Amino acid sequence: AQKITQTQPGMFVQEKEAVTLDCTYDTSDQSYGLFWYKQPSSGEMIFLIYQGSYDEQNATEGRYSLNFQKARKSANLVISASQLGDSAMYFCAMRSLAGAGSYQLTFGKGTKLSVIP
Amino acid sequence: NAGVTQTPKFQVLKTGQSMTLQCAQDMNHEYMSWYRQDPGMGLRLIHYSVGAGITDQGEVPNGYNVSRSTTEDFPLRLLSAAPSQTSVYFCASSTGTAKNEQFFGPGTRLTVL
Repeated sequence: AQKITQTQPGMFVQEKEAVTLDCTYDTSDQSYGLFWYKQPSSGEMIFLIYQGSYDEQNATEGRYSLNFQKARKSANLVISASQLGDSAMYFCAMRSLAGAGSYQLTFGKGTKLSVIP
Repeated sequence: NAGVTQTPKFQVLKTGQSMTLQCAQDMNHEYMSWYRQDPGMGLRLIHYSVGAGITDQGEVPNGYNVSRSTTEDFPLRLLSAAPSQTSVYFCASSTGTAKNEQFFGPGTRLTVL
């Protein structure tokens, strides 16, 4: 079974500062993918970034980067130069890349990020 | 492309009533799935489909039925609604790539009284 743990229920960051949202995971799979989604107050789920377990480089997408530490089973999201529009819930998720589990995303409980002007 | 669409956006039911949540996608994705989101919880998988005619259970399937007669549509049926099914429901679709990014619909907020 897979498990995602997000230990920060809420975070505050000053506008234009960087912030790290923590995510640890547990899986017995060798091949898996890690995802981060953003959910603004309007409710939609927005894909931000993906990291494969065999990817050697940390993923980056614009202001988002994923600090992947495989040995520690962590996949922290780093948002640089925070903007007011970054205020939202952020979910870490994972899926196996093989077998029946490859069709299922397992989500953490989320972190609510508030950006302060 | 409309992406993933869901109807209705809001619904109130009485205990014991039945209803169908509609989900459609126009991206020709093979994989479609239904999640529910409860307060303080992440999304949990209810049912999923890997193609027309093929469905399987996720983490929390009890009380829900699905079918997949076409690639585009993946309705979720509540046969006898219960207050425990009050939640926000998301439909998602994805390709068969390793990245398998899931595209989510806007959600349906369901309240069961």
